[in-house]
Amino acid sequence: GAVVSQHPSRVICKSGTSVKIECRSLDFQATTMFWYRQFPKQSLMLMATSNEGSKATYEQGVEKDKFLINHASLTLSTLTVTSAHPEDSSFYICSAHDRGSYEQYFGPGTRLTVT
Amino acid sequence: GDSVTQMEGPVTLSEEAFLTINCTYTATGYPSLFWYVQYPGEGLQLLLKATKADDKGSNKGFEATYRKETTSFHLEKGSVQVSDSAVYFCALIGSGGYQKVTFGIGTKLQVIP
Repeated sequence: GAVVSQHPSRVICKSGTSVKIECRSLDFQATTMFWYRQFPKQSLMLMATSNEGSKATYEQGVEKDKFLINHASLTLSTLTVTSAHPEDSSFYICSAHDRGSYEQYFGPGTRLTVT
Repeated sequence: GDSVTQMEGPVTLSEEAFLTINCTYTATGYPSLFWYVQYPGEGLQLLLKATKADDKGSNKGFEATYRKETTSFHLEKGSVQVSDSAVYFCALIGSGGYQKVTFGIGTKLQVIP
């Protein structure tokens, strides 16, 4: 089946620094990718929709300037958490929409810890 | 807007017990319905899906039937194993062509030997 990878799988950073998380579709082209955030013992909350070659669409309440999303190619989207703070610590999961099969596939997630 | 309601856990069962996790949804048109599983410390894995009314999705002994009349997609397994311990998410993708996934809150299942 189709595979979506995320890198890194875990990252620890200091407060005030920025962290970039990559989401790649390994064997299919994804015109649309989604970024989710999962708090402990809670469901996934959609943060933004990333469309290749255009600006991301953010959900209500998500700070665009804090969570920068770039979808530069059909196989790569990046989420940059800028000036991270401890409250940004969370599990971030991406998904990719396969335009060939209309399926959606999830990455394994990235655990961010801000100290 | 679209929404998914599933029973809150945790659900604790003995090995070989019967499992039911209820899920109902609200959506316009004919959404696609999914069950995802998340093992501790890992991302989401698609467990099964159904794309139209009366479809039955099945995988690894789990089943769920798309019931349009009751807007439900309950997950069942006849005999659970310790290895089934995980969090299960019911989800839908609306029929509007926009691939946003709406998740339920997730139900934690713990199977004890």
